[in-house]
Amino acid sequence: EVRLVESGGGVVRPGGSLRLSCAASGFIFGDFGMSWVRQAPGKGLEWVSAIDWEAGGTGYADSVKGRFTISRDNAQNSLFLQMNSLRAEDTALYYCARDSGGGEDVWGKGTTVTVSS
Amino acid sequence: DVVLTQSPLSLPVTLGQPASISCRSSQSLVHSDGNIYLNWFQQRPGQSPRRLIYKVSKRDSGVPDRFSGSGSGTDFTLKISRVEAEDVGVYYCMQGSQWPATFGQGTKVEI
Repeated sequence: EVRLVESGGGVVRPGGSLRLSCAASGFIFGDFGMSWVRQAPGKGLEWVSAIDWEAGGTGYADSVKGRFTISRDNAQNSLFLQMNSLRAEDTALYYCARDSGGGEDVWGKGTTVTVSS
Repeated sequence: DVVLTQSPLSLPVTLGQPASISCRSSQSLVHSDGNIYLNWFQQRPGQSPRRLIYKVSKRDSGVPDRFSGSGSGTDFTLKISRVEAEDVGVYYCMQGSQWPATFGQGTKVEI
């Protein structure tokens, strides 16, 4: 079974940092690009960042560029998102997703990040 | 960045009747490899998104054939041939042709 499980969410003060992780199973992780997509409470989907299959290429939404860093460990079947200088507007459910055919074909259940003082 | 504009944002539907959602892009979505990476997602209440359509018109595995995608250039459409009760939720278009990828605002489909 193809599965993505996110972890690392929590409550953090403005200006703080968090590192999200995504554990993949059921497919050859190194063959796929991966993405992070977030959803603020009651709002729509927002693409955050993506990384290609060999970690040679990364992309970021303008809203997180310079603050967030995506990375992966193909040997550990894991995807990461290092989030620094967090703001209230980063509060959201963060999904890990697999890229295939130019879009996200497999999604995790998400991990919640709350930025509040 | 590419802006995707969906319409309508709210779509009341009748069971058994067709429904259609439009997605307009602010610029061409033709990738340098010649493909158009336009996707459609369904998000049921309380669930993670599920992709229905990729590359404009290709249905993902397990997606009922009442869902179809079409379009070219900057105008794209998701059609449901006969709405069923389980189709209630929010539908998003999303482009992966250029980074940053972007989503439309979402269309809420309700019976």
